[in-house]
Amino acid sequence: RKEVEQDPGPFNVPEGATVAFNCTYSNSASQSFFWYRQDCRKEPKLLMSVYSSGNEDGRFTAQLNRASQYISLLIRDSKLSDSATYLCAVNGYKDDKIIFGKGTRLHILP
Amino acid sequence: GAVVSQHPSWVICKSGTSVKIECRSLDFQATTMFWYRQFPKQSLMLMATSNEGSKATYEQGVEKDKFLINHASLTLSTLTVTSAHPEDSSFYICSASALSLREGTDTQYFGPGTRLTVL
Repeated sequence: RKEVEQDPGPFNVPEGATVAFNCTYSNSASQSFFWYRQDCRKEPKLLMSVYSSGNEDGRFTAQLNRASQYISLLIRDSKLSDSATYLCAVNGYKDDKIIFGKGTRLHILP
Repeated sequence: GAVVSQHPSWVICKSGTSVKIECRSLDFQATTMFWYRQFPKQSLMLMATSNEGSKATYEQGVEKDKFLINHASLTLSTLTVTSAHPEDSSFYICSASALSLREGTDTQYFGPGTRLTVL
């Protein structure tokens, strides 16, 4: 099993819809979880951290399920500007190395 | 959030030459920085962990003699691609870990990346 796995997509979603994607991780000892957004030919930018109690920031909600070892990202009322690749990230267990998933591509359609 | 810069933002070089890329943490000290490589439409691949004052730790399959890393200070790490070839053309991104007051935990902040094209 890969350390961090994501569905590569693409997810083609109409504007205004709600979309969700998951990310599974293999190391049960992982402590920190993040969602990053990467636009084409740009560096990843932190979208939000994922806390045990969940985290909501406007239209974005992130949740952690430790029992099943996955994190999720929910985007409500999607905008055209949400089109990007979303990377999940999980901290490593040997050091502070962050392991990234391969990313999920999201296309919001007008 | 913390700011990480990279220089140059893009570079075109001839095959066989060496290229140095700088990564700086502008408003914080970073004992550890990370170097990634990303090919078009591919995932972010960790190449190595750069440790201030000691040798870098390379990921499996990354040639340490080809990708030289120097982390001489708490705010600067450099990656030198030696004897670059066209297959080394890629997007090279560094990152550094800093405590985010907003997130309440150490968070990775990325530099803007360096696009390398080897002719």
